[in-house]
Amino acid sequence: QVQLVQSGSEVKKPGSSVKVSCKASGGTFSTYAFNWVRQAPGQALEWMGDILPKFAMEHYKQKFQGRLKITTDESSKTVYMDLSSLRSEDTAVYYCAMTSYFSDFWGQGTLVTVSS
Amino acid sequence: DIQMTQSPSSLSASVGDTVTITCRASQGITTNLAWYLQKPGTAPERLIYAASSLQSGVPSRFSGSVSGTEFTLTISSLQPEDFATYYCLQYDSYPHSFGQGTRLQL
Repeated sequence: QVQLVQSGSEVKKPGSSVKVSCKASGGTFSTYAFNWVRQAPGQALEWMGDILPKFAMEHYKQKFQGRLKITTDESSKTVYMDLSSLRSEDTAVYYCAMTSYFSDFWGQGTLVTVSS
Repeated sequence: DIQMTQSPSSLSASVGDTVTITCRASQGITTNLAWYLQKPGTAPERLIYAASSLQSGVPSRFSGSVSGTEFTLTISSLQPEDFATYYCLQYDSYPHSFGQGTRLQL
């Protein structure tokens, strides 16, 4: 059974960076796409970007270009989301999702609070 | 970018009712659409993929259909655990995009 476990909550200052990890257990890591989705308080889900390890490809939503980086460490089956130049509007729960055509697994979410 | 217009934004219903939620894509996305359910404080879970394929383990009261760029999620015989928020997601092209959500309440 596939499980995704994300790192714990973070409190960050405006202008700083945050790196959230997502460790997978089960499944064949390289055959999935790993997405990052965020949800600001009381708001809808927002797709941020993904990485496809099998093809060494990354895609990012334009609004995050330049400050979002998604990486993987296949040896530890971990995906990372690195968001820089944080502002208050980045306060949200960040989810990783491991998807294929037939399957879809989500982490438990990581709350990132940006506050001075 | 493809915009997903989801309606209604909220919906009131009773146990046993049948309800429909719609997403309209701003351009053609073939059948590359999924439906998700999200309960408060938890991660979303996929109900439908490829517009009409039921995710393994999801009850058959959930169904999806498509007509052109309009996608519909139908929930038959509502159960208490179905009262939650629903989202559509297009994954036809980048950036992927979610609808604004439909809150289904009792």
